[in-house]
Amino acid sequence: AQSVTQLGSHVSVSEGALVLLRCNYSSSVPPYLFWYVQYPNQGLQLLLKYTTGATLVKGINGFEAEFKKSETSFHLTKPSAHMSDAAEYFCAVTTSSNDYKLSFGAGTTVTVRA
Amino acid sequence: DGGITQSPKYLFRKEGQNVTLSCEQNLNHDAMYWYRQDPGQGLRLIYYSQIVNDFQKGDIAEGYSVSREKKESFPLTVTSAQKNPTAFYLCASSMGSGGAGNTEAFFGQGTRLTVV
Repeated sequence: AQSVTQLGSHVSVSEGALVLLRCNYSSSVPPYLFWYVQYPNQGLQLLLKYTTGATLVKGINGFEAEFKKSETSFHLTKPSAHMSDAAEYFCAVTTSSNDYKLSFGAGTTVTVRA
Repeated sequence: DGGITQSPKYLFRKEGQNVTLSCEQNLNHDAMYWYRQDPGQGLRLIYYSQIVNDFQKGDIAEGYSVSREKKESFPLTVTSAQKNPTAFYLCASSMGSGGAGNTEAFFGQGTRLTVV
């Protein structure tokens, strides 16, 4: 079985500060990992994904994440927060052993202080 | 433009009534999914379909039903058997199984169902 744990349901950062959202996964086979962003009352938009190859993945809006197999982690970072980054962020995992269905973490809500 | 369309965006129903949520995609994707979202619980899979005329239960299928008669359409019916139907429902699609490049899911804008 596969699962995802997001550490911290709420994160508050100052504008211009580093954004760090933590995600740990559990999987018995090689995982494919994703970060999605959701704005209020909207669907989810893909920020970035790791499938194979380079472990440092760059996404949209200046976000990046690093796949660390030894730590079973896929933390999301952005060097400098912008007010428009205020949203909810979801980490997700899928594998070949689960029909490629996505399993989501509980989400982390980011607020950005001026 | 290609994408996934969910309708309506807001839906109100009386307790005990069945209600059907629409999901249409023009991405030519094989796989489609329904998720339920509640505050603090992330997204939970209700049903999914990997091919026309076939679908499987997800983690919380009780009280829900689906059909997949066309590749483009995957409607979800919330029945009166669903104990707590008020939630935000998200439909998604992907190219389906068969390799890393096919795993990305695209989401609709969601339907907020309120049962009174």
